Amino acid sequence: KQEVTQIPAALSVPEGENLVLNCSFTDSAIYNLQWFRQDPGKGLTSLLLIQSSQREQTSGRLNASLDKSSGRSTLYIAASQPGDSATYLCAVRVGGSNYKLTFGKGTLLTVNP
Amino acid sequence: NAGVMQNPRHLVRRRGQEARLRCSPMKGHSHVYWYRQLPEEGLKFMVYLQKENIIDESGMPKERFSAEFPKEGPSILRIQQVVRGDSAAYFCASSPPEGRYYEQYFGPGTRLTVT
Repeated sequence: KQEVTQIPAALSVPEGENLVLNCSFTDSAIYNLQWFRQDPGKGLTSLLLIQSSQREQTSGRLNASLDKSSGRSTLYIAASQPGDSATYLCAVRVGGSNYKLTFGKGTLLTVNP
Repeated sequence: NAGVMQNPRHLVRRRGQEARLRCSPMKGHSHVYWYRQLPEEGLKFMVYLQKENIIDESGMPKERFSAEFPKEGPSILRIQQVVRGDSAAYFCASSPPEGRYYEQYFGPGTRLTVT
């Protein structure tokens, strides 16, 4: 059974700092991995999708890496801003039922001005 | 193009009542997914539907829960005889019909509180 763990559960940093969020998964036979952002009272917003054959994806100040063999992914946020404050969720899809996302519990990020 | 719509956004029910949660997918999307987020837990897959068909309901509790996605109208998640443990945020997502499952767009969720 696939399990996804995110560390840390919460993180507070000053504005401008670079930071890394971690995600690990128990079954390396994933189809792809996706990072989302969840704002209070709102739905999830997709940030980055990494296919199982890829090692990383970049979008603006965000960079996500994937190491399938070790079951790890990281989300790197450069030059953090108060507007980055949100919960960041990592989710994986497993081949065979690749419509189904298995989520971690998330990392609550607070960026202080 | 409006996003995924869910209503109501907040729903309060007493134990034993029924809860009906609605999800209108994005225009042109014919695949709908329901996820539940219990307090302090990650989102958990419940059910995957296409128009008039349940494709996978492996994550849905066997009793009291049902889901439908009729030919016309929104998808409905129905919870009968609610209990306090059903209190959670219920999220709906939709994706295009061409099998692009990774393009799941999420709605804002319905927060169900059972008193």
